[in-house]
Amino acid sequence: DIQMTQSPSSLSASVGDRVTVTCQASQDIGDSLNWYQQKPGKAPKLLIYDAAILDTGVPSRFSGSGSGSHFTFTISSLQPEDFATYFCQQHDDVPFTFGPGTKVDV
Amino acid sequence: QVQLVESGGGLVKPGGSLRLSCVVSGFTFSEHYMSWIRQAPGKGLEWIAYISSSAKTTRYADSVNGRSSISRDTAANSVYLEMDSLRADDTAVYYCARHDFGGNGRFDYWGQGTLVTVSS
Repeated sequence: DIQMTQSPSSLSASVGDRVTVTCQASQDIGDSLNWYQQKPGKAPKLLIYDAAILDTGVPSRFSGSGSGSHFTFTISSLQPEDFATYFCQQHDDVPFTFGPGTKVDV
Repeated sequence: QVQLVESGGGLVKPGGSLRLSCVVSGFTFSEHYMSWIRQAPGKGLEWIAYISSSAKTTRYADSVNGRSSISRDTAANSVYLEMDSLRADDTAVYYCARHDFGGNGRFDYWGQGTLVTVSS
């Protein structure tokens, strides 16, 4: 199975901050990497797919980059509604696997 | 609009079984692969099964393989997950999710989840 790691596991930030999360796969997954946002008690929401493509309606302050085994997720200017947990997920091979998450809070 | 609504969760004794349902609307169900993904309390996400749009292909995570079955009913716009030999570590919120295109693992719509608690 492809193992996904994320760092940091949590971070504290303020509105307007630039936030960066990294995700690493245990093997080369090309650009088969998605990012999701999850708020407490809610289902995850797809933000970015194929490493860098914003899903429909996702604000442009979110961005993703990377390929192979190293990926980065960035919020350019943190907004109040962005406090949440963010997960990366590989879809290069089954079983699809998720990173452990990064909690962004105040 | 696209909606996925899960049901069937609840309290189950260890060794018991369950059948989860997910009714979908707002899109052509027969064109999309569907998955079940679970999240133990306070933990991360675990993909556990998918079924192809034609229902000819199913895949399972090792953690549930051999004691789970995913199925779908196009007439009912529903996907199901049956699990038996339930254990405490199956306790989780179970989400159904739509694959956005083909068999790729991009989950573009999710249900609200149904909680399964395995406890005596």
